[in-house]
Amino acid sequence: GEDVEQSLFLSVREGDSSVINCTYTDSSSTYLYWYKQEPGAGLQLLTYIFSNMDMKQDQRLTVLLNKKDKHLSLRIADTQTGDSAIYFCAERGHADKLIFGTGTRLQVFP
Amino acid sequence: NAGVTQTPKFQVLKTGQSMTLQCAQDMNHNSMYWYRQDPGMGLRLIYYSASEGTTDKGEVPNGYNVSRLNKREFSLRLESAAPSQTSVYFCASSAGTTNTEAFFGQGTRLTVV
Repeated sequence: GEDVEQSLFLSVREGDSSVINCTYTDSSSTYLYWYKQEPGAGLQLLTYIFSNMDMKQDQRLTVLLNKKDKHLSLRIADTQTGDSAIYFCAERGHADKLIFGTGTRLQVFP
Repeated sequence: NAGVTQTPKFQVLKTGQSMTLQCAQDMNHNSMYWYRQDPGMGLRLIYYSASEGTTDKGEVPNGYNVSRLNKREFSLRLESAAPSQTSVYFCASSAGTTNTEAFFGQGTRLTVV
């Protein structure tokens, strides 16, 4: 079955880069996503990558995909206090099933 | 634009009571989902519906039932609530396999006492 794993916490200093990692098990995944959840809110899409790509850059966000190792990462450059949130990795697999990871709580300190 | 609307926002139930969580989307999406979010567990898929008239089990379907009433609406029913079902429930929708983004409702905070 599908499984998506993430580390639970990450703490970084403002201005540094953050790297959030994710591993998944479904090799048939077509799209992989990063979502952000702010306190008391639903999830919002940050960025996504198609499974035939290795990298995608979108302003301060860089997504790296290692399909062989089933490893996905999200790098946030110049991390700001407003980036503090929970970040979820997700994979879209068979029959449009959308599976999320455990979420990584990013804390940015001054 | 309403997007995905969930009702109610908050609910307290006694053990053994039943209730239905409602979800509606106005984006003409084919796929709809129900998730529960628990601390340290992330979002876990309860049920999903890839198209009107079809539903499939997710990771944690036990204790729940769903109905895809029409293309817009996807409801989640707890027949006999248990304290283990205390959670925040999210409904989501997406256009389908050719589209990338899932849109989420604001969540329902359910407490079972």
